[in-house]
Amino acid sequence: QKEVEQDPGPLSVPEGAIVSLNCTYSNSAFQYFMWYRQYSRKGPELLMYTYSSGNKEDGRFTAQVDKSSKYISLFIRDSQPSDSATYLCAIRRTYKYIFGTGTRLKVLA
Amino acid sequence: DTGVSQDPRHKITKRGQNVTFRCDPISEHNRLYWYRQTLGQGPEFLTYFQNEAQLEKSRLLSDRFSAERPKGSFSTLEIQRTEQGDSAMYLCASSLTEDTQYFGPGTRLTVL
Repeated sequence: QKEVEQDPGPLSVPEGAIVSLNCTYSNSAFQYFMWYRQYSRKGPELLMYTYSSGNKEDGRFTAQVDKSSKYISLFIRDSQPSDSATYLCAIRRTYKYIFGTGTRLKVLA
Repeated sequence: DTGVSQDPRHKITKRGQNVTFRCDPISEHNRLYWYRQTLGQGPEFLTYFQNEAQLEKSRLLSDRFSAERPKGSFSTLEIQRTEQGDSAMYLCASSLTEDTQYFGPGTRLTVL
């Protein structure tokens, strides 16, 4: 079993839709959770990080962590074509960041 | 530009050749990481430096791979006797705290 599982998509949504991206993880000891956005042929860009259960909001983005279910989510409100990218979840284990495979998102104008 | 920089951005080499990549982290970031990313996959951890000390190295990293960070600033990643399976994007990231990492644009390696 992979330590972090993420549906690779692709996911296509119309402009303005609410997008829900999800990951599951295997080890309940993990405490730090991140979401990155990666445009084609670019390095990942940090969107949000959190270390507690509950929600964290930043503009149109909300990160949610449910430690009891070992489930993390990223919600994007009012999605825009410029949000089209691959979204990677990541967890931190000691010095290592373990990434999901990424979900490809396409927002259609 | 004060972000992480990597050089070269692209490298094409023949199988069996040695290649070296360079990463310049964000100024004063004492933590530096190397990752490898193949198509359709997330970044895969290779190694971690805190200042000049290499504190962790992935078991996936064969003896053909070596990384250095001689003065705790820039870092190099060398791959000896390249194989076609080494073709990937090599990403460098740096951080000041354990909570966040900032990635560079990556070096895309193609082994023919």
